[in-house]
Amino acid sequence: QVQLVESGGGVVQPGGSLRLSCVGSGFAFSSYGMHWVRQAPGKGLEWVAFIRYDGSSKYFADSVKGRFTISRDNSRSTLYLQMISLRTEDTAVYYCAPMAAVGTIDFWGQGTLVTVSS
Amino acid sequence: EIEMTQSPVTLSVSPGERATLSCRASQSISNNLAWYQQKPGQAPRLLIYGASTRATGIPVRFSGSGSGTEFTLTISSLQSEDFAVYYCQQYNNRPPLSFGGGTKVEIK
Repeated sequence: QVQLVESGGGVVQPGGSLRLSCVGSGFAFSSYGMHWVRQAPGKGLEWVAFIRYDGSSKYFADSVKGRFTISRDNSRSTLYLQMISLRTEDTAVYYCAPMAAVGTIDFWGQGTLVTVSS
Repeated sequence: EIEMTQSPVTLSVSPGERATLSCRASQSISNNLAWYQQKPGQAPRLLIYGASTRATGIPVRFSGSGSGTEFTLTISSLQSEDFAVYYCQQYNNRPPLSFGGGTKVEIK
């Protein structure tokens, strides 16, 4: 079955950096574009970033553009989110998810919590 | 960027009653709309895609309708396990994806 395991979350001070990882299994990771979606405590879902299956194109929400970088290592079935210049408003659970062919998100990981606080 | 607006923010419904949730897109998205259910402490779960097609394993009491800019999710007879937050999401222009702000369905 499809599994997505995010890691790398934690507590970081404003202005700090963090790198999240997501290991996918149970599906052809290298054939799927991948999203990062986040959810601040008690708030709704916010799309963060997307990378094509081969890493050739990357897209970012305006709220993170210039601060976050998305990358992938298909040989390790791993997706990354490098976050710098973190702000308190970046505090959220971060989910990774493959994009289904139709454009929906059919599978989600359990998420990793990032807390930006002094 | 396409903005998605959901209403109401909170819906109070008694078990066994019908719930109707609305989602509006800031521009036409054809039928490229999905609905997700999220319970506390859990990741979202896909319910509906293509505005009206139930995802695998989703009970028939969940139905979706609409196209263009106006969409509806109907839960015909609320069960205890249906009390949750529901999000709509457009995938007409992807990426970026965009989600609605959510509707919380609570017990009346």
